[in-house]
Amino acid sequence: GIQVEQSPPDLILQEGANSTLRCNFSDSVNNLQWFHQNPWGQLINLFYIPSGTKQNGRLSATTVATERYSLLYISSSQTTDSGVYFCAVERMNRDDKIIFGKGTRLHILP
Amino acid sequence: DAGITQSPRYKITETGRQVTLMCHQTWSHSYMFWYRQDLGHGLRLIYYSAAADITDKGEVPDGYVVSRSKTENFPLTLESATRSQTSVYFCASSASYEQYFGPGTRLTVT
Repeated sequence: GIQVEQSPPDLILQEGANSTLRCNFSDSVNNLQWFHQNPWGQLINLFYIPSGTKQNGRLSATTVATERYSLLYISSSQTTDSGVYFCAVERMNRDDKIIFGKGTRLHILP
Repeated sequence: DAGITQSPRYKITETGRQVTLMCHQTWSHSYMFWYRQDLGHGLRLIYYSAAADITDKGEVPDGYVVSRSKTENFPLTLESATRSQTSVYFCASSASYEQYFGPGTRLTVT
């Protein structure tokens, strides 16, 4: 099946800093999503982005489908950005259904 | 506007007992999913459903049974619970690709 690798596994930043999270995948996809799991466990859909670039406030994401990676940018980090960020992908033929990466744990220090 | 809800939120059961986790969504989404989240494994798909009366296996279906008689409900049953099924279970729904998650059920099997 498709492999999904996220980096870095852990990241500690000071409030106000910018960060870039990466998701590499091993096959062509027609579905790529970024999720944030907050410290209380709730999973929030951030972006559906199988290709191209999207922005939502301080967050933006870019997927380069031909090179099989996606980046999530967080600017001017706030403590509420803490949590785990997951990338999830689904292959073109949808046989595997959606596969999640193991996540990047982000801790923003006040 | 409840969105997607799960019940119970917490459950402790004994090995060998049957337990059912409930999932209900108010958006009339066609797709519904069950995941389990374990340390070191991230989120793994157990079962999914593309519509009422249509279900299919995910990555880790063994020991679980699902049904979907109504679009809005997607219960997950552990027919004979084992300790390895101790986990946090998330239900999600989707109209096409973007998935929206419920708050999760923390299940402990003793």
